Amino acid sequence: EAQVTQNPRYLITVTGKKLTVTCSQNMNHEYMSWYRQDPGLGLRQIYYSMNVEVTDKGDVPEGYKVSRKEKRNFPLILESPSPNQTSLYFCASSLASGSPYEQYFGPGTRLTVT
Amino acid sequence: DQQVKQNSPSLSVQEGRISILNCDYTNSMFDYFLWYKKYPAEGPTFLISISSIKDKNEDGRFTVFLNKSAKHLSLHIVPSQPGDSAVYFCAAMDSTSYGKLTFGQGTILTVHP
Repeated sequence: EAQVTQNPRYLITVTGKKLTVTCSQNMNHEYMSWYRQDPGLGLRQIYYSMNVEVTDKGDVPEGYKVSRKEKRNFPLILESPSPNQTSLYFCASSLASGSPYEQYFGPGTRLTVT
Repeated sequence: DQQVKQNSPSLSVQEGRISILNCDYTNSMFDYFLWYKKYPAEGPTFLISISSIKDKNEDGRFTVFLNKSAKHLSLHIVPSQPGDSAVYFCAAMDSTSYGKLTFGQGTILTVHP
């Protein structure tokens, strides 16, 4: 089954404790992206990657890091989480040709930073 | 600076009637637009898209209209069904900045039986 998986689905952590949210897709997609969803703000793009070792900032990259060492994986790293990073996070992937903007989204990771 | 705006947080319609969801954008460089649907506890799913070279795209019950001069797009759902109840996000992209996608705030659609 074609899918984007995220782990963990739920995470409660404390300020400053480094964490990683993993994202994996099995569709051989070149493009992957991370978003956060906040009430009244919709989805905002954090980082995206056009292919292995190619990443770029979205609209809200501050406080986040990403890496793309393998095509299927695109982890989101919070080196020192803060309460304003409490949010619902989505990973997405798509082809980089054809209909490149029709992204497949993962189920989401709800992060709470206390 | 919200470049893509969905000014109606919610919309309620009767089953069988038309649902019209609206979206406005400010960046004239945007040339590709998409609509996504999101159910609770799930990720968004792609619904329909339109390029700026068109003013209409239709897929079954869903039609997207683009008015470039007004920087406005709308999604029409006809006829509306209870299963269409979800949050709808519009999104826009400047294809010269490939990969960077800007979403609106979302509109909650409720279709009553």
